[in-house]
Amino acid sequence: KQEVTQIPAALSVPEGENLVLNCSFTDSAIYNLQWFRQDPGKGLTSLLLIQSSQREQTSGRLNASLDKSSGRSTLYIAASQPGDSATYLCAVDRGSTLGRLYFGRGTQLTVWP
Amino acid sequence: EAEVAQSPRYKITEKSQAVAFWCDPISGHATLYWYRQILGQGPELLVQFQDESVVDDSQLPKDRFSAERLKGVDSTLKIQPAELGDSAMYLCASSPKVGQGIPGSTFGSGTRLTVV
Repeated sequence: KQEVTQIPAALSVPEGENLVLNCSFTDSAIYNLQWFRQDPGKGLTSLLLIQSSQREQTSGRLNASLDKSSGRSTLYIAASQPGDSATYLCAVDRGSTLGRLYFGRGTQLTVWP
Repeated sequence: EAEVAQSPRYKITEKSQAVAFWCDPISGHATLYWYRQILGQGPELLVQFQDESVVDDSQLPKDRFSAERLKGVDSTLKIQPAELGDSAMYLCASSPKVGQGIPGSTFGSGTRLTVV
């Protein structure tokens, strides 16, 4: 079974800092890796998707990298803002399971002014 | 922008009662998923459909949960009878077949279920 771990579980930083959120997975035979954002009591918003043939993806202030051989992904958030406060979830799929996602528990981020 | 629609947004029900959730995936997405998210944890798959067929319901408590996607489009998830431990966020997601669209799963806003 695929196990996904996210570190740290919670992070509280002042506005303007550059952040690193970590995700590790036990089975390197993944197809896609997705990073999601979840606001309290809301659904999931997809931030970035990295396919197995790719090593990184960028969107605005967000950059995600993928190292399949070591079973790790990193989400970088540049110049953090209070509006970035949310829970960030990492999820992987194994291709063989037609897109079924295995999630970590998330990193709860608080950015204070 | 295409969205996954879910209703209701919130549901409060008494234990032993029946409850149902509805999901309408993005048009053309063949695969539909129901996930359950307990507070403080990541979502976990309950059931997965490919068109109208169930491809994975190994984590679905079949003594009380049922799911259907009769015409391969929208889907309903039912719980009967509801138990206190069923209180959670129920999330629906959809994704296209490989090679038929932008890859990855798109999630709805979820249904927050509280069983009292």
